Amino acid sequence: GAGVSQSPSNKVTEKGKDVELRCDPISGHTALYWYRQSLGQGLEFLIYFQGNSAPDKSGLPSDRFSAERTGGSVSTLTIQRTQQEDSAVYLCASSWGDRRVGAFFGQGTRLTVV
Amino acid sequence: AQTVTQSQPEMSVQEAETVTLSCTYDTSESDYYLFWYKQPPSRQMILVIRQEAYKQQNATENRFSVNFQKAAKSFSLKISDSQLGDAAMYFCAYRKETSGSRLTFGEGTQLTVNP
Repeated sequence: GAGVSQSPSNKVTEKGKDVELRCDPISGHTALYWYRQSLGQGLEFLIYFQGNSAPDKSGLPSDRFSAERTGGSVSTLTIQRTQQEDSAVYLCASSWGDRRVGAFFGQGTRLTVV
Repeated sequence: AQTVTQSQPEMSVQEAETVTLSCTYDTSESDYYLFWYKQPPSRQMILVIRQEAYKQQNATENRFSVNFQKAAKSFSLKISDSQLGDAAMYFCAYRKETSGSRLTFGEGTQLTVNP
């Protein structure tokens, strides 16, 4: 596709359930990021994939959060045993390896845990 | 660790006027990149302008320009001839010139444009 695609756009889940959020990056982009944005707040880094290198997982808030990137393309962010504080917009971004170029973002998934 | 600070949670400007959004950052690196992103209510993050630290010339993109002061670690965004469509949350971001580096964002500035 022409841009970064995230699905679903909105997700409401019950506390304690697991959720999977999907990100389709721009074709050819080697870098992929996940960020979390709570209401009215800035972007909190979660995880970063760059090519075949080991991902930078330093931003994951707990072991309930995990992410994978298959075939260097699609990425899935999984949150297990969701809690109400997990409610936020989850943004995915991708970029070329050239660090001069900023990342391109998807429209995010709004997760609401009830 | 690198940090990015936006000291203005909210700003407002009259249509057609000029407004400047502030951003400071903390780094021990000499080579890095700085960005301003715009996030309208649609949630879509849009890259507005970028600056390479090794370039002394300030970046300009149409009505958007930056004032990059490397020694002061300051990177402000000036919006000229403000338009209603400029209303959005603006984020300053930093990325160091190292393989595997990530984007670090400030807390954002909510810009209101008054007609």
